[in-house]
Amino acid sequence: KAGVTQTPRYLIKTRGQQVTLSCSPISGHRSVSWYQQTPGQGLQFLFEYFSETQRNKGNFPGRFSGRQFSNSRSEMNVSTLELGDSALYLCASSLVQAAYNEQFFGPGTRLTVL
Amino acid sequence: GNSVTQMEGPVTLSEEAFLTINCTYTATGYPSLFWYVQYPGEGLQLLLKATKADDKGSNKGFEATYRKETTSFHLEKGSVQVSDSAVYFCALFPGGTSYGKLTFGQGTILTVHP
Repeated sequence: KAGVTQTPRYLIKTRGQQVTLSCSPISGHRSVSWYQQTPGQGLQFLFEYFSETQRNKGNFPGRFSGRQFSNSRSEMNVSTLELGDSALYLCASSLVQAAYNEQFFGPGTRLTVL
Repeated sequence: GNSVTQMEGPVTLSEEAFLTINCTYTATGYPSLFWYVQYPGEGLQLLLKATKADDKGSNKGFEATYRKETTSFHLEKGSVQVSDSAVYFCALFPGGTSYGKLTFGQGTILTVHP
């Protein structure tokens, strides 16, 4: 079974631009979560989607948004990029809303903002 | 709120040495606990999990026991290999309506020398 895939793997943007990242979950997984990983802040939760609905959101400004499609694929968008948005963005999927929420991670998209 | 604290790194060991990485947590209720591993340039891989007190998670020679009385989930391995060099993250999932939201520790870099 294929794992979680994320595209693109690397991205370079300039301040003020916007960016869209894509995530395809493991087949049959309907919950998709997004995380931001930086050396200073570590791994921080962005949001979670299930059945095309955002069910949970972390502490990020409104410039960070996402959506999920009927096939469970998800995208996240960052508008008006800032230098501090440079990070590894990780997507994770899980099978069902299991009590312990075992998540499977993709390889990430490395975003560099110049 | 929920939080996870890992021992400060980096940790440097010789091959076949004993490994302990400490992890303590703060959470209400009965969270599920995880150890994830991240190899250079990759996403996170689930190493092991424990979903209730006194559970022992184990995988690939690594073990961790869910200790509610000390709110700890320390990672151990009896004999490390060079291939174990990676970053290790302790994480918790509180359950309930915390959909998709894992809370991570800051990560511990492990380097194993031949």
